[in-house]
Amino acid sequence: EAQVTQNPRYLITVTGKKLTVTCSQNMNHEYMSWYRQDPGLGLRQIYYSMNVEVTDKGDVPEGYKVSRKEKRNFPLILESPSPNQTSLYFCASSLLSGGVYEQYFGPGTRLTVT
Amino acid sequence: RKEVEQDPGPFNVPEGATVAFNCTYSNSASQSFFWYRQDCRKEPKLLMSVYSSGNEDGRFTAQLNRASQYISLLIRDSKLSDSATYLCVVNNPAGTALIFGKGTTLSVSS
Repeated sequence: EAQVTQNPRYLITVTGKKLTVTCSQNMNHEYMSWYRQDPGLGLRQIYYSMNVEVTDKGDVPEGYKVSRKEKRNFPLILESPSPNQTSLYFCASSLLSGGVYEQYFGPGTRLTVT
Repeated sequence: RKEVEQDPGPFNVPEGATVAFNCTYSNSASQSFFWYRQDCRKEPKLLMSVYSSGNEDGRFTAQLNRASQYISLLIRDSKLSDSATYLCVVNNPAGTALIFGKGTTLSVSS
């Protein structure tokens, strides 16, 4: 089954404790992206990757890191989480067809930082 | 002007009603257009792409007006299961990102 998976699905952590949210896709998509979704603000892009070893900042990259060592995986790293990073996070992937096209989303990770 | 603007709603309609959502986008160089559906606290899922000539998928019809930078979605014969948030989405001209509207909430009641 074609899918994007994320782990963990729910996480409660404390300020400053480094964490990683994993994302994996089995569709051989070149493009992957991370979003956060907050009430009243919609989906905002954090980072994206056009291919292996190619990553770039989205609209809200502060406090986050990513890496793309393999095509299928695109982990999101919070080196020192803060309460303002409490949010619902989505990973997405897409074929590149003259640019990014329709995206397939993972099920989401609900993060709470206390 | 925000990049993608939608009326947030909520739209409360009875079963069987026809409902229309509108969306405007700011960058005339955008080339790809979509409607996504998002159920509460779930991931967004592609509902349909939007083509210049307009396109239909069952009870759903999407229209694009490039001159006015306007996209619409029409839902006919609404079902309870249509209750969700509908996101208008366009790509950025560089082709590096999709830009999401904040969504329009639809509630269909019996």
